[in-house]
Amino acid sequence: KQEVTQIPAALSVPEGENLVLNCSFTDSAIYNLQWFRQDPGKGLTSLLLIQSSQREQTSGRLNASLDKSSGRSTLYIAASQPGDSATYLCAVPLSGNTPLVFGKGTRLSVIA
Amino acid sequence: DADVTQTPRNRITKTGKRIMLECSQTKGHDRMYWYRQDPGLGLRLIYYSFDVKDINKGEISDGYSVSRQAQAKFSLSLESAIPNQTALYFCATSDLASNQPQHFGDGTRLSIL
Repeated sequence: KQEVTQIPAALSVPEGENLVLNCSFTDSAIYNLQWFRQDPGKGLTSLLLIQSSQREQTSGRLNASLDKSSGRSTLYIAASQPGDSATYLCAVPLSGNTPLVFGKGTRLSVIA
Repeated sequence: DADVTQTPRNRITKTGKRIMLECSQTKGHDRMYWYRQDPGLGLRLIYYSFDVKDINKGEISDGYSVSRQAQAKFSLSLESAIPNQTALYFCATSDLASNQPQHFGDGTRLSIL
C-alpha cells in the first residue's frame, strides 16, 4: 500500500527566504507525482506534475524534483512571498495515472 | 464559471438524515472522484468513476454511495448520516488521455449534528 509522508507538517519563514518542502513515498513504482496548493476554505490547485521519467519540473519560482529510487520529492520555493502562504500537498497515483494517494500536507506561513 | 462545481458549499444536518452532494464539470473529463478531508488525516478517496458505467470503491467507501448520472455529473450520497462523517468533501476530475493533473472543486463543508 502506497503511503505518502510530508515533512514538516508546518513551516513559518520570513519573506524572501528560499525554502524546501519534502515528500516521501513508500512504493517507488509511481507513474507520476503531483504537487498541489490549497488555500483555506478552497479546493486544491495543481502546481506541478512530474512524470516518472523526469527529474524535475519548474514553474516560475517553484521547482519540484523527483528521485524515484529513494522515494523522495522536494518542492523548492524561491524568494518566498506572503502570498505563498497555503498548505502544499504532494500526491502519487495508486496505479497507472489515477487515483491519487495524498500526503497530509505542509502548512506554510510566509511572514512579511 | 468554475470548471468543477460542487453543491451545496455548506450543509448542516442531523444524524440519520439522507444527504446528497452533487458535482458537475465542464472540462469534458471522463474520470471523476470524491474525496474527504479531515484535519490530521489528509485527503482520502471515497469513490471514483472512470466513465459513466464504471464505479469503484476507494479507501473509505463504507457509509457512502455514488451515482454517475452523466459524463459531467457525479453525486455522493450519505444514506444515513452520522457525526463522524463531518468533513470537507471534494470532487475532482481528470482526463487520462491528455495526462493532465486532477482538477478540484472548492469543496462542500458538511456538518452532522
